[in-house]
Amino acid sequence: GAGVSQSPRYKVAKRGQDVALRCDPISGHVSLFWYQQALGQGPEFLTYFQNEAQLDKSGLPSDRFFAERPEGSVSTLKIQRTQQEDSAVYLCASSSDLSETQYFGPGTRLLVL
Amino acid sequence: QKEVEQDPGPLSVPEGAIVSLNCTYSNSAFQYFMWYRQYSRKGPELLMYTYSSGNKEDGRFTAQVDKSSKYISLFIRDSQPSDSATYLCAMGAGGYNKLIFGAGTRLAVHP
Repeated sequence: GAGVSQSPRYKVAKRGQDVALRCDPISGHVSLFWYQQALGQGPEFLTYFQNEAQLDKSGLPSDRFFAERPEGSVSTLKIQRTQQEDSAVYLCASSSDLSETQYFGPGTRLLVL
Repeated sequence: QKEVEQDPGPLSVPEGAIVSLNCTYSNSAFQYFMWYRQYSRKGPELLMYTYSSGNKEDGRFTAQVDKSSKYISLFIRDSQPSDSATYLCAMGAGGYNKLIFGAGTRLAVHP
């Protein structure tokens, strides 16, 4: 079956623009995670959903970052008024229950100019 | 100090060599230990998953966890050029298993 998909794969934004990044998890996966990966670094946790409930958003770096998963499937990570420091790869991962392996998507590479 | 420390390398070895990768951590609450492989411009792919202490072997890969020393290792036997990638260690404390990653070690296996 299909893995985790993310779109767009690449996004170039001018500083101050709003962007929306989409994640399609593996069908039936309850848990969904967003991570941010800076160049040369490991992924860093941003937020976690169990179905449509956002249970942990402690990793979101500022109130410019907002995530939602309204129907418990597709998720969108929105960044308002983008800054250059937001340039990174944004990874989405899903898992089938609380303790299962996280499967990662290919990521969205965001460049803010 | 970061919760998880990992030498970023790069590590360059000849084909057929045994590769040793490792991470140290500070949070004694970590229960789940994973190694992911990440090729350039791809998402991380799970290689090994270990719960608590001990060893786990899968083909050419062996993962070791020593919770008393807060130290985990990944060994790759008979390394191949296709093993060239960044290897990320990751850890979770349970519950919904939010993962804490190391910085990743870049490995290059040359023919």
